[in-house]
Amino acid sequence: NAGVTQTPKFRILKIGQSMTLQCTQDMNHNYMYWYRQDPGMGLKLIYYSVGAGITDKGEVPNGYNVSRSTTEDFPLRLELAAPSQTSVYFCASRETSGTDTQYFGPGTRLTVL
Amino acid sequence: GQQVMQIPQYQHVQEGEDFTTYCNSSTTLSNIQWYKQRPGGHPVFLIQLVKSGEVKKQKRLTFQFGEAKKNSSLHITATQTTDVGTYFCAGSRYSSASKIIFGSGTRLSIRP
Repeated sequence: NAGVTQTPKFRILKIGQSMTLQCTQDMNHNYMYWYRQDPGMGLKLIYYSVGAGITDKGEVPNGYNVSRSTTEDFPLRLELAAPSQTSVYFCASRETSGTDTQYFGPGTRLTVL
Repeated sequence: GQQVMQIPQYQHVQEGEDFTTYCNSSTTLSNIQWYKQRPGGHPVFLIQLVKSGEVKKQKRLTFQFGEAKKNSSLHITATQTTDVGTYFCAGSRYSSASKIIFGSGTRLSIRP
């Protein structure tokens, strides 16, 4: 299993540009999450999903959109990039039996200039 | 809204000393999880606590969940250089068990 994969690893955007951060998991987990981590800070929940077709807002959803058309994929969309969205973005999936372990992807480092 | 706070923010210890980080929630939690993040890496799941007053051990790490299920602690005995990183707690409420909120983390550095 590859686990949770994220693309791209790095990206530089200009203010006002848009992009989609990709996240895929091959563990058949229903629960998936997007977090952002600003330098030296903790993780803030952006959006999460409990299954295909179901998404919900986290702590900091403004400026982002998500969709969940399949169990495997959970893309995060930035429509009008702003400097405040400069951060490292982590996607995670979670098993919902046993230990409820949350598995994180390697992250996407985004800079908005 | 739900808040999870962690103290201290930073801890610098001599190798071999003990280390403790504390996690406090503004609301009762259904469970609490602990993660470790190495510099430049992604968070890695360590453990989940579910029961009131639960204590779990992993080698030199001891995790506790408070009786009221609003606080938790992670204690490392005799730290080693491999323990360097940031330790996060994360919890969810009964009313929204799928929504996991992270604490701000405690960054541990160690003098060899």
